[in-house]
Amino acid sequence: QKEVEQDPGPLSVPEGAIVSLNCTYSNSAFQYFMWYRQYSRKGPELLMYTYSSGNKEDGRFTAQVDKSSKYISLFIRDSQPSDSATYLCAATTSGTYKYIFGTGTRLKVLA
Amino acid sequence: SAVISQKPSRDICQRGTSLTIQCQVDSQVTMMFWYRQQPGQSLTLIATANQGSEATYESGFVIDKFPISRPNLTFSTLTVSNMSPEDSSIYLCSVGQGLYTEAFFGQGTRLTVV
Repeated sequence: QKEVEQDPGPLSVPEGAIVSLNCTYSNSAFQYFMWYRQYSRKGPELLMYTYSSGNKEDGRFTAQVDKSSKYISLFIRDSQPSDSATYLCAATTSGTYKYIFGTGTRLKVLA
Repeated sequence: SAVISQKPSRDICQRGTSLTIQCQVDSQVTMMFWYRQQPGQSLTLIATANQGSEATYESGFVIDKFPISRPNLTFSTLTVSNMSPEDSSIYLCSVGQGLYTEAFFGQGTRLTVV
């Protein structure tokens, strides 16, 4: 079992839709959770960073962590074609930069 | 966030040769890392580049295959040695500032070994 699991997609949605991207993880010691966006032929770009459980909002993006179910989510409101990219979740334990990444979910927002 | 520049952005290399990838950061950073991103796979940490000392390698990666240098707080190199087609991948430099904070990535080097 991989430590961080992510559905590879692709996920296609119409413009303006609310997108839900999800990951599950197995290591209960994970404390820090990240979401990265990666456009084709580019490096990953940090979108959201959360510590432990709870929600964090930044503009159209909301990151949610449920440690009891080992489930992390990224919600995108009013999705735009420019949001079309691969979204990577990552997790790490306290005191280390050894991030464990999911395989990424490819999102397509159709105009 | 730090600005991270990687060179080259892409290369096609013959098997058996070596390629050195450079990572330059526009500010001093505490931590520098090298990742590999294979098609359809998650990013995998190769090693932590330690300034002034030997890199710390993750399981499955060895210094003879992936020698790393970090002469100062803004620069690091990763060499992929004696390449085979299985080394075809995207190699990414990553940096972190401070403890327990988010990491940032360069644009990556797309390597194809023929």
